[in-house]
Amino acid sequence: GAGVSQSPSNKVTEKGKDVELRCDPISGHTALYWYRQRLGQGLEFLIYFQGNSAPDKSGLPSDRFSAERTGESVSTLTIQRTQQEDSAVYLCASSRPRDRGRGYTFGSGTRLTVV
Amino acid sequence: DAKTTQPTSMDCAEGRAANLPCNHSTISGNEYVYWYRQIHSQGPQYIIHGLKNNETNEMASLIITEDRKSSTLILPHATLRDTAVYYCIVRGNNNDMRFGAGTRLTVKP
Repeated sequence: GAGVSQSPSNKVTEKGKDVELRCDPISGHTALYWYRQRLGQGLEFLIYFQGNSAPDKSGLPSDRFSAERTGESVSTLTIQRTQQEDSAVYLCASSRPRDRGRGYTFGSGTRLTVV
Repeated sequence: DAKTTQPTSMDCAEGRAANLPCNHSTISGNEYVYWYRQIHSQGPQYIIHGLKNNETNEMASLIITEDRKSSTLILPHATLRDTAVYYCIVRGNNNDMRFGAGTRLTVKP
């Protein structure tokens, strides 16, 4: 597609439920990133996929968070047993490998609200 | 990756130049300086990047000091639509990009 697509755009869930967020990167972009942004705060790195390499999971805040990527396409971020502190906008970005051009292209994010 | 330091917030009058500073004193030779901005409720948007030479595009200019320890993003004629959070990032070969808190620029009429 022309841009990075994220779904759903908004998600309201009850505390303790699991949620799955989806990211469709730009075709040909082998690198894919997930960030979390709490209200009024900056972007917090979560995880990074690059081709077939092992993902960099160093930013995942707890074992309730996990992410997968199918080849060089769709990625899903799963949050198990959601807590109110998980409420945030979850942003996905993609880029070409070793891209020294325009860097990352971000999606519009998924706004997660845990009630 | 080198860390960056930016002012928390800045104001600018509409039509005037906005100069946003960034310190990156621990930058290494192969790290580029990138600038992004985030307008309310949207994902971050690429603005410009550079290695050591000054750069200009249709959105902004990037001035990097000779020692590369700091840089300035210049919006030559700020408009109300330029109100956003501006992020300065240094990025190396690992293709990873870590965002700080950025500078909240408010353009006032």
